[in-house]
Amino acid sequence: DAKTTQPNSMESNEEEPVHLPCNHSTISGTDYIHWYRQLPSQGPEYVIHGLTSNVNNRMASLAIAEDRKSSTLILHRATLRDAAVYYCILRVADRGSTLGRLYFGRGTQLTVWP
Amino acid sequence: DTGVSQDPRHKITKRGQNVTFRCDPISEHNRLYWYRQTLGQGPEFLTYFQNEAQLEKSRLLSDRFSAERPKGSFSTLEIQRTEQGDSAMYLCASSRNGRVGSYEQYFGPGTRLTVT
Repeated sequence: DAKTTQPNSMESNEEEPVHLPCNHSTISGTDYIHWYRQLPSQGPEYVIHGLTSNVNNRMASLAIAEDRKSSTLILHRATLRDAAVYYCILRVADRGSTLGRLYFGRGTQLTVWP
Repeated sequence: DTGVSQDPRHKITKRGQNVTFRCDPISEHNRLYWYRQTLGQGPEFLTYFQNEAQLEKSRLLSDRFSAERPKGSFSTLEIQRTEQGDSAMYLCASSRNGRVGSYEQYFGPGTRLTVT
């Protein structure tokens, strides 16, 4: 599986933007970039995903580098409810034995201060 | 609430006992996944179903583990002869059919297993 590298932890103040980086230098052309987050004592929650172009949804924005070797999840205004572990994941599309799986890694623990 | 439910939410069992967990995915989702998560780690993939067919199993899924999805709807995960190392959160997820990489997975709340 193509792997991702994320900082162990980041901090932000409430109502400030947060940029969560992810490196995936071994990404291949058909790998989608997915972000999930996990709040304490809950299952992971889908945030956003993209392939090549930047993406926006109601939760966040995903900025993908032109060479696709890195991406950044952007929370435009952090709230206390955004405090969670954020996972950057490469999802293999239609390929062999890795079909369907998500490789989570350890993610980035985001702390939001009031 | 994502629409994926798991039962029970918590299970305490003694070493050597068998346990079974149930997952009810979102009804129109063909794909169902099981993951295991230990404290401080991200979830680890265990197995994957497309309808009733089990298409992929992780090396983590030892002979003591078995998963089924008999009618392509709900799924069960059974652990036989539990060991203390099986203590973890067991997560179920489902997703729509189609190109795998392009669809998100919806996770249930998990079943926390404690083996004493």
